[in-house]
Amino acid sequence: AQSVTQLGSHVSVSEGALVLLRCNYSSSVPPYLFWYVQYPNQGLQLLLKYTSAATLVKGINGFEAEFKKSETSFHLTKPSAHMSDAAEYFCAVSANSNYQLIWGAGTKLIIKP
Amino acid sequence: KAGVTQTPRYLIKTRGQQVTLSCSPISGHRSVSWYQQTPGQGLQFLFEYFSETQRNKGNFPGRFSGRQFSNSRSEMNVSTLELGDSALYLCASSLSLWTGENTGELFFGEGSRLTVL
Repeated sequence: AQSVTQLGSHVSVSEGALVLLRCNYSSSVPPYLFWYVQYPNQGLQLLLKYTSAATLVKGINGFEAEFKKSETSFHLTKPSAHMSDAAEYFCAVSANSNYQLIWGAGTKLIIKP
Repeated sequence: KAGVTQTPRYLIKTRGQQVTLSCSPISGHRSVSWYQQTPGQGLQFLFEYFSETQRNKGNFPGRFSGRQFSNSRSEMNVSTLELGDSALYLCASSLSLWTGENTGELFFGEGSRLTVL
């Protein structure tokens, strides 16, 4: 069975610091992997996705993620945090025949001024 | 292009009542999914509809039901409301094509926030 684990329900970084949000997955077949972001009082929007092309994926707003098969990880990074990055981030995986997304619990990113 | 529209945005109900939530997908999108989001349980999949047929269903009791109309608009209904049903209900639409640029992209509405008293 597939599963997604996001380490840390809350991550706090200073403005300008590196952002690292961790996501590990379990899947018996090559997965599709996604990061979605939810800003306060809004729905989710796609940040980036891995679909078996390049292992380093660039997304919107300066975020990127690297697919590491040996570590079954798909961590999200951004070199320099901005106040507007404060949001909740969800990692999701799909690797079954009906492409059902399995979601992580979410990580709330807090940006300190 | 208009986004996913959910109505109502906020509503308050009492235990035992029922509620119907509506979702209008992006024009041309034929797949609609529903999710329940709560602080304790996170994001949980309710069901997915494609061309008026339920394709996938999450692990929710039968009090939760949905349907999709021929114009792809979808409704979900919760009967005999319980306090634990208080949540943000999110609808997402997609082209339902898992190839190339369309792979896995769900477009979410802003949600309907249900409070059960």
